[in-house]
Amino acid sequence: AQTVTQSQPEMSVQEAETVTLSCTYDTSENNYYLFWYKQPPSRQMILVIRQEAYKQQNATENRFSVNFQKAAKSFSLKISDSQLGDTAMYFCAFMTVNQAGTALIFGKGTTLSVSS
Amino acid sequence: NAGVMQNPRHLVRRRGQEARLRCSPVKGHSHVYWYRQLPEEGLKFMVYLQKENIIDESGMPKERFSAEFPKEGPSILRIQQVVRGDSAAYFCASSPKGKGTLGTEAFFGQGTRLTVV
Repeated sequence: AQTVTQSQPEMSVQEAETVTLSCTYDTSENNYYLFWYKQPPSRQMILVIRQEAYKQQNATENRFSVNFQKAAKSFSLKISDSQLGDTAMYFCAFMTVNQAGTALIFGKGTTLSVSS
Repeated sequence: NAGVMQNPRHLVRRRGQEARLRCSPVKGHSHVYWYRQLPEEGLKFMVYLQKENIIDESGMPKERFSAEFPKEGPSILRIQQVVRGDSAAYFCASSPKGKGTLGTEAFFGQGTRLTVV
């Protein structure tokens, strides 16, 4: 079975500092995608960043970057220069790409609080 | 360029009634996923549908829950004879391409908050 584990239920960080959210996953597939989604209080799910498993280069989107360690099946999210608007729940997600097909599998989420 | 539209945003039902949750995917998307978010938990996969087909319903409870995605119209998640434990936020996501395709990602709706009283 494919699983996604986020071991940090809650994290907090001061404005302008850097925080890293961890995510590990388990799969026997070789081709897949990994995502970080942000869920603010509005409950809308917002895609933060995505990583294709076949790419060795870590994805970056402005202040957001990932550390993708395929062998270790680890996919952590680093938020630099944290802002109050980053306060939200963050979900790590996994999607395979194969003929059998599957849906997105999510971790349980990490609640991030950014304080001034 | 509307995103995934879910309605209603909030739904209150008495125990034993039926709940119907609608999801209109992004225009052109033919793949729909339903998720349930229980308090203090993450999103739980329920069902994955393509137009007129259920592809994976491994996350659906065996009884009272059903889903469809007809050729025309929105995807519907139906919960019959609701119980208090069904109270949760239900999210729908759509994607332009499904299995076996590169570049797949899902776009989420804002969810429907179901409250069973």
